[in-house]
Amino acid sequence: DTEVTQTPKHLVMGMTNKKSLKCEQHMGHRAMYWYKQKAKKPPELMFVYSYEKLSINESVPSRFSPECPNSSLLNLHLHALQPEDSALYLCASSQGYPSSYNEQFFGPGTRLTVL
Amino acid sequence: TQLLEQSPQFLSIQEGENLTVYCNSSSVFSSLQWYRQEPGEGPVLLVTVVTGGEVKKLKRLTFQFGDARKDSSLHITAAQPGDTGLYLCAGVPDAGGTSYGKLTFGQGTILTVHP
Repeated sequence: DTEVTQTPKHLVMGMTNKKSLKCEQHMGHRAMYWYKQKAKKPPELMFVYSYEKLSINESVPSRFSPECPNSSLLNLHLHALQPEDSALYLCASSQGYPSSYNEQFFGPGTRLTVL
Repeated sequence: TQLLEQSPQFLSIQEGENLTVYCNSSSVFSSLQWYRQEPGEGPVLLVTVVTGGEVKKLKRLTFQFGDARKDSSLHITAAQPGDTGLYLCAGVPDAGGTSYGKLTFGQGTILTVHP
């Protein structure tokens, strides 16, 4: 099973709302990632969790708050977002991090629109 | 500074034509991945190359890793409309430091194959 699942598929929220994105993998991977992707651009790394601990925060604004409840689950909590935060949010997983052989498997993404 | 230069950025061809996408860098990479992404979906891993000079084939797709592990190419033979999508190269820089383990993405190539 090489599947990473993400929910919801689409999300529309106002700037005062609080919402969460969810990601799940059952490949036994110990590293999980959040990326933000704008249309026709490559993904931009936001956070990396390695063995359920936050390894990297790419200077992401505090209105994005990641959480890794266990090795299979990754959440991204959203609060007081701005319209420019509208994007496709991708979750990915890999066997480990850091690694020179960093094959990452991506989920289908959550299309987020902030009004 | 873009560590991975991917070209061309846009490619529009007719069904049956051949094409090549290039991914170049002045840095050495431990490994390099190629992904294909369709609109509204997450990137799908096509291949990983790790050895200088390595050639891998996936049906009509041929992937090559440069001898010095600084560049890679993707060649598609007899392109079909189903090949349409965003192609991304991504690699793990060989040097240590804070970049180790992170995937560095090229800018992407948007391929359109017309019937």
